[in-house]
Amino acid sequence: AQSVTQPDIHITVSEGASLELRCNYSYGATPYLFWYVQSPGQGLQLLLKYFSGDTLVQGIKGFEAEFKRSQSSFNLRKPSVHWSDAAEYFCAVVGGGADGLTFGKGTHLIIQP
Amino acid sequence: DGGITQSPKYLFRKEGQNVTLSCEQNLNHDAMYWYRQDPGQGLRLIYYSQIVNDFQKGDIAEGYSVSREKKESFPLTVTSAQKNPTAFYLCASRGASSYNEQFFGPGTRLTVL
Repeated sequence: AQSVTQPDIHITVSEGASLELRCNYSYGATPYLFWYVQSPGQGLQLLLKYFSGDTLVQGIKGFEAEFKRSQSSFNLRKPSVHWSDAAEYFCAVVGGGADGLTFGKGTHLIIQP
Repeated sequence: DGGITQSPKYLFRKEGQNVTLSCEQNLNHDAMYWYRQDPGQGLRLIYYSQIVNDFQKGDIAEGYSVSREKKESFPLTVTSAQKNPTAFYLCASRGASSYNEQFFGPGTRLTVL
């Protein structure tokens, strides 16, 4: 069965510093991978997705992610974080019922001034 | 604007009562999903539906029921059999292809008093 691991429950980054959020997946076939962001008490917003092709994908809000098949990873990056990036970030892979999503448990991002 | 609406945003229920959460979409999507979110647990799939008048259990369906009488609507009933119903509930929909990401509603926070 598919699974997603986000090893970091909390990450604290200073405003203006770079960011990398880790995601490892377990899936037998070629994975369809997603990163979502959730502000407190809100729904999820898609940041970016990977299906095939170029392993470096660009998303909204200046985020990017790199798919590495050899490491079963899909890490999210941003070169310079802003205070508004403070949120919960979820990595997900397609593979649930009706092509549903299997989610990691999330990484809570805290931005220090 | 196209999107997914959930109502109410906050819901309070006494123990032993059934309660129904609304989910409506105007994206013309066939597939719809209900997820439950608990702190530190990520999102877990409750039920999903691929077409009208058809739905399937997800990973944690016990104590929940759904219906899909219209393409646009996928209400979730939390029954008195659900042992720990206090949570944040998210509805999502997806277009026809597996390449399509899921779009999420703003969520309903259910609290059992």
